[in-house]
Amino acid sequence: AQTVTQSQPEMSVQEAETVTLSCTYDTSESDYYLFWYKQPPSRQMILVIRQEAYKQQNATENRFSVNFQKAAKSFSLKISDSQLGDAAMYFCAYRNTGTASKLTFGTGTRLQVTL
Amino acid sequence: NAGVTQTPKFQVLKTGQSMTLQCAQDMNHNSMYWYRQDPGMGLRLIYYSASEGTTDKGEVPNGYNVSRLNKREFSLRLESAAPSQTSVYFCASKSYRDRGLVWGDSPLHFGNGTRLTVT
Repeated sequence: AQTVTQSQPEMSVQEAETVTLSCTYDTSESDYYLFWYKQPPSRQMILVIRQEAYKQQNATENRFSVNFQKAAKSFSLKISDSQLGDAAMYFCAYRNTGTASKLTFGTGTRLQVTL
Repeated sequence: NAGVTQTPKFQVLKTGQSMTLQCAQDMNHNSMYWYRQDPGMGLRLIYYSASEGTTDKGEVPNGYNVSRLNKREFSLRLESAAPSQTSVYFCASKSYRDRGLVWGDSPLHFGNGTRLTVT
């Protein structure tokens, strides 16, 4: 079974600075998807960024980018120019390919953004 | 476009009571999922339905039942609630293809969650 590990329960960053959230996973598959979801206090789950394992290029979405190291099974999220609205729980998630495949989540990292 | 709608948003039950959490999506998605979220444990899959007419157990199915009523609706039932089922419950759905994505690469669309407390 696949597992996803987020070893940082909480992180803090100053506004306008850069922060990196860590995620590692375990799988025997060669093709899969990785995601970062954001959960603000409203409880809504918001997709931040996704990465296809077969792509070597790291995904980017505006201020959000990932460092995908397939051999190391590492998938970190970098948030640049942090904003107060970035404060939330961040979940790393893994999914196999396949139409009905299930999403496996890490335990989350709570990000605080300070002035 | 409402997306994924869960009802109720909040519920308090006494031990032994039963209830059904409702979930409906209007995106014509094939697959639907029920997760529970507990502090320090992330989201764990309870049950899922790959397509209309099928349901399968996830990681933590004990104490729950589900019904895929039709393509739109996927309900979660607690027959005899226990304090260990106090949690936030999320319904999610996805299709085989999502707008702007390649075939099979579809993120989950989540509802806003139900906070359930069992006393």
